[in-house]
Amino acid sequence: AQTVTQSQPEMSVQEAETVTLSCTYDTSESNYYLFWYKQPPSRQMILVIRQEAYKQQNATENRFSVNFQKAAKSFSLKISDSQLGDTAMYFCAFGAGSYQLTFGKGTKLSVIP
Amino acid sequence: GAGVSQSPRYKVAKRGQDVALRCDPISGHVSLFWYQQALGQGPEFLTYFQNEAQLDKSGLPSDRFFAERPEGSVSTLKIQRTQQEDSAVYLCASSNGWGYTFGSGTRLTVV
Repeated sequence: AQTVTQSQPEMSVQEAETVTLSCTYDTSESNYYLFWYKQPPSRQMILVIRQEAYKQQNATENRFSVNFQKAAKSFSLKISDSQLGDTAMYFCAFGAGSYQLTFGKGTKLSVIP
Repeated sequence: GAGVSQSPRYKVAKRGQDVALRCDPISGHVSLFWYQQALGQGPEFLTYFQNEAQLDKSGLPSDRFFAERPEGSVSTLKIQRTQQEDSAVYLCASSNGWGYTFGSGTRLTVV
């Protein structure tokens, strides 16, 4: 069974600054995907970024990038130039095989004006 | 439709009442998932459909939970004889491959 651990229940960052959210996972799978999802108060889970485990290059989407360390089973999310709209819960998730996702418990990010 | 639609958005049920939660996935998406998200937690997998076939129901917490997708499109999650511990947000997602799209969920409160 897979496990996903997010060790930071809450974080805050000043607007325009950079913040990094941590995620570690445990699996015996060799082929898998890792995701970061954002969940604002509207409750809809919105995909922020996705990383295929077989790719060595770290994924980047505009202000969002990941630091994927496969050997260490670590998958952190860096948000640059933080904006007020980035305030939300952020969930790290793992997927393999049958497409179901295993989520961490989330990190509540507050962007302070 | 353009997104995954779930209804109702909120549901209050008296303990012991049966409820039915609806999910309308993105047209053409083969896979459909139900997740349960307790307060302050991440979503947890309940069940998975590929078209009308329920391929995995290992996450359903008890036999009071039942899901169906009879025509491979709309899905219904039914909870019989609701208990307080069933209070949660129920999220539906549809996908083709790893391109998940989630709905906004149904918040169920059992009183």
